[in-house]
Amino acid sequence: KQEVTQIPAALSVPEGENLVLNCSFTDSAIYNLQWFRQDPGKGLTSLLLIQSSQREQTSGRLNASLDKSSGRSTLYIAASQPGDSATYLCAVLDNYGQNFVFGPGTRLSVLP
Amino acid sequence: NAGVTQTPKFQVLKTGQSMTLQCAQDMNHEYMSWYRQDPGMGLRLIHYSVGAGITDQGEVPNGYNVSRSTTEDFPLRLLSAAPSQTSVYFCASSLTGQGRSDTQYFGPGTRLTVL
Repeated sequence: KQEVTQIPAALSVPEGENLVLNCSFTDSAIYNLQWFRQDPGKGLTSLLLIQSSQREQTSGRLNASLDKSSGRSTLYIAASQPGDSATYLCAVLDNYGQNFVFGPGTRLSVLP
Repeated sequence: NAGVTQTPKFQVLKTGQSMTLQCAQDMNHEYMSWYRQDPGMGLRLIHYSVGAGITDQGEVPNGYNVSRSTTEDFPLRLLSAAPSQTSVYFCASSLTGQGRSDTQYFGPGTRLTVL
């Protein structure tokens, strides 16, 4: 059974720092991996989607990488801002395309 | 576009009561799904639908029923609420499949408490 973990569970950094969030999954037979952002009391917003054949995706200050063989993905946030404060979740879609498995999330606080 | 909408935002039930959580999308998406989110456990898939008239079970379907009579609506029914169903429920949709090559859009969630 696919399991997704995220480290760290919480992270607090000063504004302007570059930071990395980690996502690990146990079964490398995935179709794609997606990073989401969740603000308190709100739904999820998709940030980046990486297909299994891709190594990375970029959007503005965000860069996500995927190493399928080692079961890892990282989300890199450059020049962090207080507005980046949120919970970040990763999710993998299995090869059957039937079920997204989510990690528990990393709660990020960017201090002004 | 309103995107994915959910009602109600909050609900308190007593054990054994029934209720329906509503979900609608106006993006003409084929795929819709329901998740529950519990502290420290991430989101878990309850039921999903690949189109009108077609539904299937996800990871945690027990205690929940769904139907999909139109493309736009995908209600989730709790037939006899239990305290274990206290959670935040999210509805999501995507254009074709479950995020195969397109983005999943999430509703704002329904916070349910079962006493």
